[in-house]
Order: sequence, then C-alpha cells, then structure tokens
Amino acid sequence: DAGITQSPRHKVTETGTPVTLRCHQTENHRYMYWYRQDPGHGLRLIHYSYGVKDTDKGEVSDGYSVSRSKTEDFLLTLESATSSQTSVYFCAISAGFEAFFGQGTRLTVV
Amino acid sequence: SQQGEEDPQALSIQEGENATMNCSYKTSINNLQWYRQNSGRGLVHLILIRSNEREKHSGRLRVTLDTSKKSSSLLITASRAADTASYFCATDRHSGGGADGLTFGKGTHLIIQP
Repeated sequence: DAGITQSPRHKVTETGTPVTLRCHQTENHRYMYWYRQDPGHGLRLIHYSYGVKDTDKGEVSDGYSVSRSKTEDFLLTLESATSSQTSVYFCAISAGFEAFFGQGTRLTVV
Repeated sequence: SQQGEEDPQALSIQEGENATMNCSYKTSINNLQWYRQNSGRGLVHLILIRSNEREKHSGRLRVTLDTSKKSSSLLITASRAADTASYFCATDRHSGGGADGLTFGKGTHLIIQP
C-alpha cells in the first residue's frame, strides 16, 4: 500500500462546528487531493494541491478549505460543518497520473 | 458533472465466468483509468490506458478504449470471489494528464457468486 494515512478514520461532529481531517504521506509525491464519496455520486474532487502552499479548488469546494504547509501533510477543514457534509472523505496522492488513495474518513454531522 | 458513467450499475456472476464493465465519457481525454474499491476501503489503481492505445492487458484484466465512441470496457477473466468489489473508471479533469485531479464515474458493483 502507498504510504498514506488519514486521520481520524471515523468522526461524529455537531452541525456548526469546525472539523479538520488530516492526510499524511510518506511517498514525497507532489500532488495531493481530497475527494468525497457519496451514494449516487461516486467520488468528487473537493480541493487539490500541486505543491507546498499551492492549492486549488475542485468541483465541490464550497464549505471546505485546505492547507499544505509541508510536502507530506494536506489538511481539509470544514469551516462550519453541515449535515450535507456527512460523507466518506478520501485523500489521494499522485506523481501525475495514477492516484493512490488512503483508507478514508467517515464523517457524520449530526 | 460526471465525466465517466459505468454500465451496468451492478453485476452478479458465477465464479470462473468473465465480467465486463463499460464506461462512457463525454469530452476528449488523454488517459482513462480503472480503479477497484473493496467494501470499506480506499480505491486501488488497476490500469491506465492512453488515448492513443486501443487495448491493454494486465494479468486477468483487459481494457479497451474507443475514442470515437468515447467509451472503454474492463474485462476481468476467470473471475474469483476476491474480485467482488466496485469498479470505477476515471478520466483527467482537464487536459493536464490528471495532475489536477480525476473525474470518476459512479461505479459498477461486481458480485462474484461462489
């Protein structure tokens, strides 16, 4: 398995609270991504990073922010969690073509 | 919006049979990839086919690409119980080769009956 660790693996949080998910890689890949997976939608890109401090939006970025202060870490923050953000979140890394995925974080917003 | 759409949404076959899944996409691509996801796990890359390739093999996997029809197929031969999973096709979001992310279809859920 590619060296990708997501934390936490499961989280339940209340509506309106901020939440931060962490992705850590040991592969030194340049590109890192956050996707969410929902029934009926497949995987959708939230944000991605192409280097330290270099990030850009994906197709479902509203309500989310990201930061990458080190090559190995990519943080996803839900600024004020809503029930529509209940989902499974996957981090992925890439050297440019194929992507390697973490095990996912199941987030429930109640 | 979804770029790739898999067909069928679900497929159940007997162990030892071949499984074929199809993917259609909307815009021109540089690459198309297939991924597998076991229940409760992350996606695993299976194979990448470039737009100038028509067929590619990897073990029991065979992928075809028809850019004129904007479609791809994944064939798994001699299926095993361990092949039970969801399978997704993915294309580059833009022409940059996937560096700015991938667009995934909704997947085909494959069940191999013992």
